[in-house]
Amino acid sequence: DADVTQTPRNRITKTGKRIMLECSQTKGHDRMYWYRQDPGLGLRLIYYSFDVKDINKGEISDGYSVSRQAQAKFSLSLESAIPNQTALYFCATSDYGTGKAGYTFGSGTRLTVV
Amino acid sequence: QQPVQSPQAVILREGEDAVINCSSSKALYSVHWYRQKHGEAPVFLMILLKGGEQKGHEKISASFNEKKQQSSLYLTASQLSYSGTYFCGTERSGGSNYKLTFGKGTLLTVNP
Repeated sequence: DADVTQTPRNRITKTGKRIMLECSQTKGHDRMYWYRQDPGLGLRLIYYSFDVKDINKGEISDGYSVSRQAQAKFSLSLESAIPNQTALYFCATSDYGTGKAGYTFGSGTRLTVV
Repeated sequence: QQPVQSPQAVILREGEDAVINCSSSKALYSVHWYRQKHGEAPVFLMILLKGGEQKGHEKISASFNEKKQQSSLYLTASQLSYSGTYFCGTERSGGSNYKLTFGKGTLLTVNP
């Protein structure tokens, strides 16, 4: 099983619908992140969480919300999906304590809003 | 504010060398490098911490000049497997907020 699992892998939804993307990890990391990737724009941070009680907005949080249900689960919701939220979404985890570890990314969710 | 990567794209023949640069206008604590193959997730290559160190990973190495807020990734004797998009991710100095800001990426294509 993958260390960081994202579901669904692909999703097509209609404008105005609420949708949830899920992320779970088996690495035991406290820190979890949601990024979106658009062609030519790189990865941009939506939300991040350092533990269950700590949720922080990233640079592009408008139109999104998150829930950290447990140390291992971090979900991203689009309250009312719009076409410009069509993108590839990645969840990532990190163990900063070592000072040497990078992010571990999930396989991504490709979301299309029509 | 996203770090700036250059070049945006580079095409190599197998065995050639390449350098990818990453610069920031903010004081940095660390710089990460990742490689993403088409349709896959980014994969961590290495991290460079404040202190101006240089690190290596197989034939891929990197340096970090904290005075200039710049990092460079060096790929020597490139292999076909090196093809992909390379991203730098920067962590601002202050260090307690471990979140990365990524550049827009550099597309590296290695041809036979």
